[in-house]
Amino acid sequence: DAKTTQPTSMDCAEGRAANLPCNHSTISGNEYVYWYRQIHSQGPQYIIHGLKNNETNEMASLIITEDRKSSTLILPHATLRDTAVYYCIVRVARNAGNMLTFGGGTRLMVKP
Amino acid sequence: NAGVTQTPKFQVLKTGQSMTLQCAQDMNHNSMYWYRQDPGMGLRLIYYSASEGTTDKGEVPNGYNVSRLNKREFSLRLESAAPSQTSVYFCASSSSKAIQYFGAGTRLSVL
Repeated sequence: DAKTTQPTSMDCAEGRAANLPCNHSTISGNEYVYWYRQIHSQGPQYIIHGLKNNETNEMASLIITEDRKSSTLILPHATLRDTAVYYCIVRVARNAGNMLTFGGGTRLMVKP
Repeated sequence: NAGVTQTPKFQVLKTGQSMTLQCAQDMNHNSMYWYRQDPGMGLRLIYYSASEGTTDKGEVPNGYNVSRLNKREFSLRLESAAPSQTSVYFCASSSSKAIQYFGAGTRLSVL
């Protein structure tokens, strides 16, 4: 699986958009970009994933560059409850045994 | 809809004691996983089961055994606990889309 690079930490004002970047310059053509988050002391939570097109769901938007070497997770209106560690993971979506490799992630602090 | 349920939530063991962490999912997923998370670190895969009847080692399998009892249940056993196994343990399951759903975790201290 391709390696990812994320900033260690970021701050965001409550109500503003949080833009979390991820670099994955060695991504292969069949690898997806997944985003998870982990709120303090809880199990990780799936947010969104994509292959090459931009994706949006009720939680967030995922913007993937045309060369697929980087992506940005966007939380459009961050709340205090979005304070968490956000993990960007790149991997193939197999039918079984889809292990995830968690790096250090980005610690997002949403401030009032 | 319970999702992934782990028991117990907390456990304190003495060095050398054994215990089994239980995990059950009600989403009819084929694949299940056990991770550990040490303070300030990301999750590391201990063992996984791609489908009922199969198990495979992950990144840090030493000191652990697993059993895929049926499609719903995947247990993790520590035969002789060591202080280095003090950690938070997460179980997860996944569908064919590789989206994993995690339990709330078991906080284990080995004294």
